[in-house]
Amino acid sequence: GENVEQHPSTLSVQEGDSAVIKCTYSDSASNYFPWYKQELGKRPQLIIDIRSNVGEKKDQRIAVTLNKTAKHFSLHITETQPEDSAVYFCASRPAGGADGLTFGKGTHLIIQP
Amino acid sequence: IAGITQAPTSQILAAGRRMTLRCTQDMRHNAMYWYRQDLGLGLRLIHYSNTAGTTGKGEVPDGYSVSRANTDDFPLTLASAVPSQTSVYFCASSESGGQTEAFFGQGTRLTVV
Repeated sequence: GENVEQHPSTLSVQEGDSAVIKCTYSDSASNYFPWYKQELGKRPQLIIDIRSNVGEKKDQRIAVTLNKTAKHFSLHITETQPEDSAVYFCASRPAGGADGLTFGKGTHLIIQP
Repeated sequence: IAGITQAPTSQILAAGRRMTLRCTQDMRHNAMYWYRQDLGLGLRLIHYSNTAGTTGKGEVPDGYSVSRANTDDFPLTLASAVPSQTSVYFCASSESGGQTEAFFGQGTRLTVV
């Protein structure tokens, strides 16, 4: 089955700097790659997703890039703010998607004031 | 407000007892999922259902069962709870099993003692 690796497990950046979280996946048939943000004690919520027919997608300060050849995708957050502090999960779903998303183990992003 | 609701929000359960976690969605989504979240392990899929009347096993199905009698409800049953099933359980739903967003419930914190 699909395997998703996520790095780093913890990332600390100064407020205003950029943060990058990277994921790799194993199933070349995967075609959907969402990113979820989870604040302490809350449910995961989708912040951005990308489908395999595009290489990059942006939404204000957040962007995701996808390299299908290398089977990796990354989350980029620019101009980080204190409210960006949370745990971020990448995920993938193979084409057909019958059995749900496979998640990475998460990155704890800490924004230092 | 449309969404996905889980019950109970938390529970302490004696080992060996039977327990059903409830999940209801009012978005008329076809696909529903159960995940467990453990520190350092991310979200792991227990069982899924692509449509009413069908279910499938995820990554960690042992000790759990599900049913999908209708579109809205997807209960998760622990037949005989064990301490290793102590976890936070999230139910999720998506419009279909393809490239669509998964919406999560608020979670159930289960402690088996």
